[in-house]
Parts: sequence; C-alpha cells; structure tokens
Amino acid sequence: QQQVKQSPQSLIVQKGGISIINCAYENTAFDYFPWYQQFPGKGPALLIAIRPDVSEKKEGRFTISFNKSAKQFSLHIMDSQPGDSATYFCAAGLDSNYQLIWGAGTKLIIKP
Amino acid sequence: NAGVTQTPKFQVLKTGQSMTLQCAQDMNHNSMYWYRQDPGMGLRLIYYSASEGTTDKGEVPNGYNVSRLNKREFSLRLESAAPSQTSVYFCASSAQGRTEAFFGQGTRLTVV
Repeated sequence: QQQVKQSPQSLIVQKGGISIINCAYENTAFDYFPWYQQFPGKGPALLIAIRPDVSEKKEGRFTISFNKSAKQFSLHIMDSQPGDSATYFCAAGLDSNYQLIWGAGTKLIIKP
Repeated sequence: NAGVTQTPKFQVLKTGQSMTLQCAQDMNHNSMYWYRQDPGMGLRLIYYSASEGTTDKGEVPNGYNVSRLNKREFSLRLESAAPSQTSVYFCASSAQGRTEAFFGQGTRLTVV
C-alpha cells in the first residue's frame, strides 16, 4: 500500500515532442506528489509538485496531471528538448510524517 | 551558496570496515535526510531528522546509524559494512517536511 509505481522505465522522444511519464499509488492518504529531475552524477532536484486539491499544475513546459479517483498522476513535458534528457522520479508523501515514497525512475532521452 | 555538501564523493570499503558519511547544509533547514539509491529502485529513506536533536528510522535503517550533530550537520555511519550496502548515498535537507528537499551530489560507496 506504500508503493508508487512509475512507468515507463525508459523513454525516447524526438526533439519538440511530448514526453509523458506516469505514476500510480495505492495509499489514498498521500497528499503531496512531487516530481524530481536527476542528471548523471548529480542529486535529484525538485521540478514541480502538486497536492490533491487540484487536477493540474503547469510550470513552463512541465505539467502535472492528477487523477484522484484513479490514484494516478503524470508528468507531461511539452516541446521536449535535448537538455531535458535526465532521469525523472515521481514521489508521494503524507503530511503527517517526513517520508517520501519514490517511484523507480524513468530515464528520458530526447533525440535531436 | 554551497547548499548541501557531502563527503566523501567516492569510497571503497572492505566487508566489515566502518565509515562515516558526512553531510552539511548551509540553508538553515530544520529537516535532514539520508537516502540510498539503487538501480531500478528509486530512492529509499534510511534515516531522517525532523529537527535538531531528533532522529527517526526510515524505510531501510538496518546496518546504519545517524547523528544530528547540530542544525547544519547530519552524519551516517556504517558500523560493519556489507556488500549489500554498495549504493549511492544522498543527503538532503528541507525547511520542513512538506517543502522542497535539496540534495547533495551523492557518495558512491562500494563494499567489496
């Protein structure tokens, strides 16, 4: 019940295309859903985050779509660029504690 | 502004040896975390410190100990290293539990 399942494991997208990464969770008590971006040799960095009181959040080319009834959330990267090539992690957390449960990660490659 | 600094960046240990991973943050954050990252498994929380003077177990605490030395520093100790502890270790900090976590660059540990 604590798992966060992320798919796909890897993704190749042409430059200018839309990259979509999906996550599903089971614990309906989760109330914080961040996405992190990680470049090789670096630590993860927060990209965008959402709480379940909204269905969508957009920051520049990055959008989180949240479906509370399906217990799913996804990251959409519009007009994908080679500089977006990285590993992306979704996570879910509870307001009552400090632990985030992480997805396994998606390695995204944007082909020029 | 250094952010979160981890030392060392690389380490090779023999089975049974001990070592301490150091972490310091200069953002005046209350909360600090130690994660391990293994291929295909995302990040797993080892220990966290919600505030100075407190520490709590995360998802995978066995074989590790931590010390919150002061508000800035949070160390992770392996008392008797095992090959299963071969991993990349990340320290992170946040202002409080439900806000953005900032990560260090990681320590790549190999236990032979």
